[in-house]
Amino acid sequence: AQSVTQPDIHITVSEGASLELRCNYSYGATPYLFWYVQSPGQGLQLLLKYFSGDTLVQGIKGFEAEFKRSQSSFNLRKPSVHWSDAAEYFCAVGAMYTGNQFYFGTGTSLTVIP
Amino acid sequence: EADIYQTPRYLVIGTGKKITLECSQTMGHDKMYWYQQDPGMELHLIHYSYGVNSTEKGDLSSESTVSRIRTEHFPLTLESARPSHTSQYLCASSEPGRTGELFFGEGSRLTVL
Repeated sequence: AQSVTQPDIHITVSEGASLELRCNYSYGATPYLFWYVQSPGQGLQLLLKYFSGDTLVQGIKGFEAEFKRSQSSFNLRKPSVHWSDAAEYFCAVGAMYTGNQFYFGTGTSLTVIP
Repeated sequence: EADIYQTPRYLVIGTGKKITLECSQTMGHDKMYWYQQDPGMELHLIHYSYGVNSTEKGDLSSESTVSRIRTEHFPLTLESARPSHTSQYLCASSEPGRTGELFFGEGSRLTVL
């Protein structure tokens, strides 16, 4: 069965510190992987996506993620966190044969302290 | 910037009322989706559509219904709201092709008293 696990429910980092949010997936085919961000009271916005090719993908707002097939992981990273990065982050997986249905993790809430 | 709109953003109603959550997109996307989002839970797909006159139920059983009479419009209806329907409902659409990302509306937060 398809599933996405985000093991960290909540993370707190200091502004300027580096960030890594974990995502593991279980999928029966080559996955298409996504990271979305949700600010309070807002919908989800795409940060980055991986379909194929280079396993290190760059996204908006200075985020990047690395696909590691052997570990079934797609962790999100940012070298230096800004206060405006405080939000909920969702990892998602999808593929063509699922009819473009997407499976989401439970999210990681990020708090940024001065 | 995504052009997908949901109304109302917030709704508080009494049990037994009929409600319709509106969702419209101006991107011409054929595929549209409704997700239910509760705190600490993954987003659950409750309905999706591949185009006009196409509607399917998602993974999560829902008492709501949807319609797709026009490409840009994908409303969700609850005939008789109950407190268990209290949740955030997110509408989304996706680009053509097999790798299309999802574009989300800002959500409709429903509270049923």
